[in-house]
Parts: sequence; structure tokens; C-alpha cells
Amino acid sequence: DAGITQSPRHKVTETGTPVTLRCHQTENHRYMYWYRQDPGHGLRLIHYSYGVKDTDKGEVSDGYSVSRSKTEDFLLTLESATSSQTSVYFCAISDFEMADEQFFGPGTRLTVL
Amino acid sequence: AQTVTQSQPEMSVQEAETVTLSCTYDTSESDYYLFWYKQPPSRQMILVIRQEAYKQQNATENRFSVNFQKAAKSFSLKISDSQLGDAAMYFCASSGNEKLTFGTGTRLTIIP
Repeated sequence: DAGITQSPRHKVTETGTPVTLRCHQTENHRYMYWYRQDPGHGLRLIHYSYGVKDTDKGEVSDGYSVSRSKTEDFLLTLESATSSQTSVYFCAISDFEMADEQFFGPGTRLTVL
Repeated sequence: AQTVTQSQPEMSVQEAETVTLSCTYDTSESDYYLFWYKQPPSRQMILVIRQEAYKQQNATENRFSVNFQKAAKSFSLKISDSQLGDAAMYFCASSGNEKLTFGTGTRLTIIP
């Protein structure tokens, strides 16, 4: 299994509070991704990174920001959490030379009350 | 923009029988890959099978095989000799521009 961890694994927070989710990899892969998974929508890309300090938006980036100061860490921040951001969040990594295959972390269940 | 469509929200199959999950996609990429991922109740996303679009031969992995019809932009997954451990959500995905686009998933139930 690819070495990807996410923290926390579960979080309950209140509307309006900031939340940061962390993804950590030990594979030295160049690409890192944040997805959210909601019933009826599959996985939707929030943001991704193609190198340290290099990030770009996905299809559902509003209300989210990311940072990548080290190859191994990719942080997802909800500046002011809303109930619509209640979801399961997955981090994934990819070595582009390996044909775009992505390896996924275990997921974080976030509940915003 | 890429799109991936899975038109079967739920499927069921008798244990030991064969089932086919459908997927269609649309892409403007000339070079791309297609994937099927499995998500069991543990929530972990597991790669089942991968197909390179430039290869005409259909990919196979043990009991899992695909029927790749490039002109029709169709990429179905066949599971032979279904087992209880195959029960999961299955997601089809296509690659392009350093990203994956996922379908909405098919929930597969195995009937003992």
C-alpha cells in the first residue's frame, strides 16, 4: 500500500470555524490531490498540487484553500466551515510517470454543524 | 471538460455469477487512461483495473476484465465468478491533464 495518511480521520466542527485537514505521504510522489465524496456525486476534485508551492483549482474549489510547503505534506483549509462542506475528504497522490494512476488515503469524515 | 457517466446506481448479482458494470466517458484528450476503482465499506479506494487508451487489447486482472470500445467511448467492467468480497461501490474514472474525472459510482450487491 502507498504510504498516505490523513489527519484527523474524523472531525465535528461548528459553522464558521476554520478547519485544516492534513495529508502526508512517504512515497515522494510529485502530485497530490484533495477530493470530496458526496452521495450521488462520486469524487470531485477540490484542489491539486504538481509540486512544492505549485497548486491549482479543481471543479469545487470555492470555500477551500490549500498549501504545500514540503513534498510530503498537502494541507486543505476550510477558512469558515459551512454545513454544505460536510463530506468525506480524500487525499490522493500520483507519480505522473506512472500513467496517472492515483493512490488514495483512508479519508476524513468532516461534519459541520 | 471531461465527463464520466455511470448509468447504473445499483446492481446485484448472485454469488459465482458474472456481472457487467457500465461506464461511458467523453474526453478531448488524445492520450488517456481509464480506471475502475472499488470502494468497500471500509471506504478505502482500491484500484481494480487500468486500461491505456492507445491499446486495443482489453485489460484483465484475474476475475476482472474490461470491454473497451474506444469509438463508442465505452468502458465496462466485467466481474466473473462474483464473490461476497466484491460487494462495494465501483467508480469509473478517466485521466487527462494531470487529473482524474470520476463517475458517480455503482453500488454492487452480492446475493449469497
